[in-house]
Amino acid sequence: GAVVSQHPSWVICKSGTSVKIECRSLDFQATTMFWYRQFPKQSLMLMATSNEGSKATYEQGVEKDKFLINHASLTLSTLTVTSAHPEDSSFYICSARVRREGPLVSDTQYFGPGTRLTVL
Amino acid sequence: GNSVTQMEGPVTLSEEAFLTINCTYTATGYPSLFWYVQYPGEGLQLLLKATKADDKGSNKGFEATYRKETTSFHLEKGSVQVSDSAVYFCALSNKPNAGGTSYGKLTFGQGTILTVHP
Repeated sequence: GAVVSQHPSWVICKSGTSVKIECRSLDFQATTMFWYRQFPKQSLMLMATSNEGSKATYEQGVEKDKFLINHASLTLSTLTVTSAHPEDSSFYICSARVRREGPLVSDTQYFGPGTRLTVL
Repeated sequence: GNSVTQMEGPVTLSEEAFLTINCTYTATGYPSLFWYVQYPGEGLQLLLKATKADDKGSNKGFEATYRKETTSFHLEKGSVQVSDSAVYFCALSNKPNAGGTSYGKLTFGQGTILTVHP
């Protein structure tokens, strides 16, 4: 249980184009999804927190117009890198927090396998 | 703010050796603590977690104890295998009822690369 998928697993695009990455929770509902960026041999940097049906909350220094996040349903969030440039090349990872019934929710995040973006 | 500090790697061990990866944290309140593992070419997987002081998380022979007095959550395994070669991340998050905008956000350590040789 608690499987998160990402699509595509890798993508190569030309500079100036936009790329959409999907993050799906396959066997559970996730009211909150997180988007991270990971540079080679470095830790994960949280980019934004995405709540179903509301606007994403971006971390300081992350351009919201550059990285568009949509969380249209309890099982799907998308990250669109607009007008991508070589410096946007990175490993993008999403995670989903399990939704529970009642006043408390789980604090465990389950991660997708990541998407390798290469901008030429 | 929250922060997590892991011992610097890389760590190189022979098979069946004892493993310790140190992790200390700074946080407000009483966070939940996690160890995640990232195998080559894959995403992060939850290895174990602990939600309150003196809790011990364990999985696949790995274990870590939530030590409030030393603000630590060191990862240990008695006998490592080649298949344990991966990057290990220590992380923390605020509890659900802590409220505020920081709820649920994971703060990661810098990761420790572990290589186990036959």
